[in-house]
Amino acid sequence: DTEVTQTPKHLVMGMTNKKSLKCEQHMGHRAMYWYKQKAKKPPELMFVYSYEKLSINESVPSRFSPECPNSSLLNLHLHALQPEDSALYLCASSQSVGRVTEKLFFGSGTQLSVL
Amino acid sequence: AQSVTQPDIHITVSEGASLELRCNYSYGATPYLFWYVQSPGQGLQLLLKYFSGDTLVQGIKGFEAEFKRSQSSFNLRKPSVHWSDAAEYFCAAASGGYQKVTFGIGTKLQVIP
Repeated sequence: DTEVTQTPKHLVMGMTNKKSLKCEQHMGHRAMYWYKQKAKKPPELMFVYSYEKLSINESVPSRFSPECPNSSLLNLHLHALQPEDSALYLCASSQSVGRVTEKLFFGSGTQLSVL
Repeated sequence: AQSVTQPDIHITVSEGASLELRCNYSYGATPYLFWYVQSPGQGLQLLLKYFSGDTLVQGIKGFEAEFKRSQSSFNLRKPSVHWSDAAEYFCAAASGGYQKVTFGIGTKLQVIP
């Protein structure tokens, strides 16, 4: 299994809603990532988890809250989002962090629309 | 500041024609270099990567890239494009001790019959 699975594929939410994005991998990877990709823009790193601990937060607003319950799962909890947060949210994993040679495996993303 | 530049936002080629997508980087030292491809509504897939050694790197799907230190470039090439190659292509770079990859703005490839 060389897949990173993200659910849901599409999500529409209001600015007062609370929702969660989920990401799962069963490749035994110990590093997991959240990226945000706006339309016609490159992916931008949000968070990195290494061995289930948050190792990088790229100054992301607190309305985005990541969680890594175990080595296979990564969640992104969303609360009080703004319309400008509408984007494709990509999850990725790699065998470990700290070694740039590691290949990133990406999920197909969750397309989020905030109304 | 570290950056990756892809000067062509959109490229159209005929099926069977050769392809070259340009990428330039600006880093203090030679970074690790990657090319990723993204089909519509999908995540990114790694085509190839360069860390050191041979400056001509072979990747998947018949793609190759050449690292030129003097030009700070890492251009992607394919001798004969197939319709299924239509996608967005991202050049990326990373340096330092962790996997912080910086992506270029992307080049959208359109393939016409």
